[in-house]
Amino acid sequence: DAKTTQPTSMDCAEGRAANLPCNHSTISGNEYVYWYRQIHSQGPQYIIHGLKNNETNEMASLIITEDRKSSTLILPHATLRDTAVYYCIVRVAAGNQGGKLIFGQGTELSVKP
Amino acid sequence: GAVVSQHPSRVICKSGTSVKIECRSLDFQATTMFWYRQFPKKSLMLMATSNEGSKATYEQGVEKDKFLINHASLTLSTLTVTSAHPEDSSFYICSARHNTGELFFGEGSRLTVL
Repeated sequence: DAKTTQPTSMDCAEGRAANLPCNHSTISGNEYVYWYRQIHSQGPQYIIHGLKNNETNEMASLIITEDRKSSTLILPHATLRDTAVYYCIVRVAAGNQGGKLIFGQGTELSVKP
Repeated sequence: GAVVSQHPSRVICKSGTSVKIECRSLDFQATTMFWYRQFPKKSLMLMATSNEGSKATYEQGVEKDKFLINHASLTLSTLTVTSAHPEDSSFYICSARHNTGELFFGEGSRLTVL
């Protein structure tokens, strides 16, 4: 699987948008960009994923550059409960043959009052 | 989303004993499950891929005789840490692959070996 690079840590003020960048310059054409987060001592939680179009759901928005070499996860109005480690992962996703998730170091987001 | 449950959530055992951790997909069938371990302040490390009805596939450097994986049904995979030692103390997490291809994670199991 292609590797990703993320900043080690970021701070965000409560109520403001949190923009988490991710570089995946070696991504293959059949690999999706996935975002998960992990709150301390819990299992990872799925946030969003996309192939090349921007995506939005109730949790976040995902912006993928046209060349697909980088992406940004946007939490529009961060709350204290969004404090977590955010993982950007590229993965082949093809139904029942979808690939395994290989986690990098992630970005530790701290939302401050 | 789909639910994956792990049991126990916490376990303490004596050095030299074996510990079994269960991973269940509660509302879907999963032919494939994955096992990870995570040390404090570190990322998740994939240990093995568990396939229903066949042998697990272990990642490089993971001892298959140490970490026994059984995936006997479409909703249950078990990880047994054999002859546990203090260095095996860790947070063990499973994920199950839904037939849509999406992966859902359990809550994790914290093992402490005394």
